[in-house]
Formats: sequence, structure tokens, C-alpha cells
Amino acid sequence: AQKVTQAQTEISVVEKEDVTLDCVYETRDTTYYLFWYKQPPSGELVFLIRRNSFDEQNEISGRYSWNFQKSTSSFNFTITASQVVDSAVYFCALRGDNAGNMLTFGGGTRLMVKP
Amino acid sequence: NAGVMQNPRHLVRRRGQEARLRCSPMKGHSHVYWYRQLPEEGLKFMVYLQKENIIDESGMPKERFSAEFPKEGPSILRIQQVVRGDSAAYFCASSPTGQGETYEQYFGPGTRLTVT
Repeated sequence: AQKVTQAQTEISVVEKEDVTLDCVYETRDTTYYLFWYKQPPSGELVFLIRRNSFDEQNEISGRYSWNFQKSTSSFNFTITASQVVDSAVYFCALRGDNAGNMLTFGGGTRLMVKP
Repeated sequence: NAGVMQNPRHLVRRRGQEARLRCSPMKGHSHVYWYRQLPEEGLKFMVYLQKENIIDESGMPKERFSAEFPKEGPSILRIQQVVRGDSAAYFCASSPTGQGETYEQYFGPGTRLTVT
């Protein structure tokens, strides 16, 4: 069985603060893929990143960075110098190689960035 | 290259009516997935289809729900005799292949179903 836990249901920060969104996953597959999606108030889902289980290198993309720690089954997402436009619900998701092609989503973290 | 298209974006149905949700995958994509997002919850997988085949329907409710992806035309998620608990956002995603590391599922804008 696969499971994704996003323990933070809601985070509120002031603009320019850094913020980290936590994601912990469970899977029996040795090969798996982790994703982050952003859901702004308009409701669509925007793909942010995919990380493969055999690649633990962390990634940085502008103000976004991701920390993949296989030892703790975590795939955390950090936004540096947050902006109001970052306000959204962020979902972490998992796809195991032997669990079909479905994505298993966490419950989401609602991020509110105040000016 | 147009993204995944879903229509309608908003659908209102009275209890007992049928709801039909359509999804056109991205050009070149032959795999379609449907997910449901209940209010204030994450997305839950419903069904995975290829053209003319249902590959995995483990997340579909046993009654009233069906899905198809015909050889021509969009994928259709059909809900018969809707109830208030069916009110949710229904997202469709597509991918070019179903295997391997090199694909992401690209999501459509969703259809928000409200049952009154």
C-alpha cells in the first residue's frame, strides 16, 4: 500500500519569509517517483517537480528547492523569499513502480502568504 | 500544444440526474486518468484508461460510476443518479505512456460538479 502524509494542513507566512512544506511517504516499491503539484485559488493543478527514487540529488529551481531524504522517507519542498502569488494548496504525490500508474496524493498543505 | 481539456468546467445537477464529464488528453497522449477531489481533501485516484481499454478501475465506486475512452473522441466519466456526496472536483490527467520513469501526468483544469 502507498501512503503520503502532509502533516501541515495550513501554513501562514509573511511575504519574503522562507517556508518548508513537509511530505512523508510510505511504499513497498524499491523504484518509485515523487511529485509536487500546486493548486492555486483558480483550481487547476500545476506540475512542479518529479523525483525518482534512485536519484537523491536535491534540486533547486529559482526560489523553489526540494530535499529528498530516502532514509527518512521524506520529500520536503522549500520556498525561499515567499511571495503572495505562492499562496495555494500544495500536494505531494507518489507513484510506485509496482502499484499501477495511479498517483497517491497527500492531503495537501494550504499556504497563505500575507503581504 | 494544447493542454488537457475538460468540459464542462462547472456542472450543476439535481439529485437523480446523470452527469457526464469529458476529458480530451494532450496531443500524443494515449493514457487517461480520472481523480476526484472532495471538498478540503486531496485527490483520490478513480480509474486509468487507454484507448478502448480500462486498465485499472480500483478507485471507482462500484455503482453508478463508469468511464470510457473510445477510439475516437474524449474520455467520458459518467455518474448516474447523482447524490449530494458526488459533489466534488473531478480531474482528468493524461500521459504519453504508462510505464517508465519519463512521464508525468498532466492535469486538466477540472470539472466542478455540484449536486443540489
